[in-house]
Amino acid sequence: NAGVTQTPKFRVLKTGQSMTLLCAQDMNHEYMYWYRQDPGMGLRLIHYSVGEGTTAKGEVPDGYNVSRLKKQNFLLGLESAAPSQTSVYFCASSPAEILHEQYFGPGTRLTVT
Amino acid sequence: AQSVTQPDIHITVSEGASLELRCNYSYGATPYLFWYVQSPGQGLQLLLKYFSGDTLVQGIKGFEAEFKRSQSSFNLRKPSVHWSDAAEYFCAVGAGYGNKLVFGAGTILRVKS
Repeated sequence: NAGVTQTPKFRVLKTGQSMTLLCAQDMNHEYMYWYRQDPGMGLRLIHYSVGEGTTAKGEVPDGYNVSRLKKQNFLLGLESAAPSQTSVYFCASSPAEILHEQYFGPGTRLTVT
Repeated sequence: AQSVTQPDIHITVSEGASLELRCNYSYGATPYLFWYVQSPGQGLQLLLKYFSGDTLVQGIKGFEAEFKRSQSSFNLRKPSVHWSDAAEYFCAVGAGYGNKLVFGAGTILRVKS
């Protein structure tokens, strides 16, 4: 049981480049989330999904897009990376029946130069 | 809207000393409260949670937390800190549909020998 996995672990982008971060979970959880973590700001929700084929905006969605084509995967895309998107990105998943309990992946460290 | 305040950005304690990390929340109804720990370069691990009932909850690694409604607080405690407890600690509150969480900014714990 791998839990929540994230690919890649590290990435460096130039301003304007695009990329996709992949999150996968093998716990059959309904809900999935993407957060960014910045020093002194805790974790802020970017987008989330309450089921396959559905997505919704979180607190800081601008500059990001997401897709949930399969229940076990949640993709985060940056179409045109900016230095302000330099951050550590965490994916999480949650079973619908256990309120608010989330399980986190190991994170992806993204640097945009 | 829900919010979480962790007043202490950094705390340093001696190994073997007791620990208390503060957390205050803002939420209209009975909150779902969580403490997570993040070791350097790692994802977040759930330490403990409060949903209802007994206001003193026990978690993993010898941690406990007490819910005090009158003070809107959910402070994390440990009677004797070990060097391996050095990490960043996040308090979070459940935030509406989709099992969302709102996180505090985190407290970095340093343990001196």
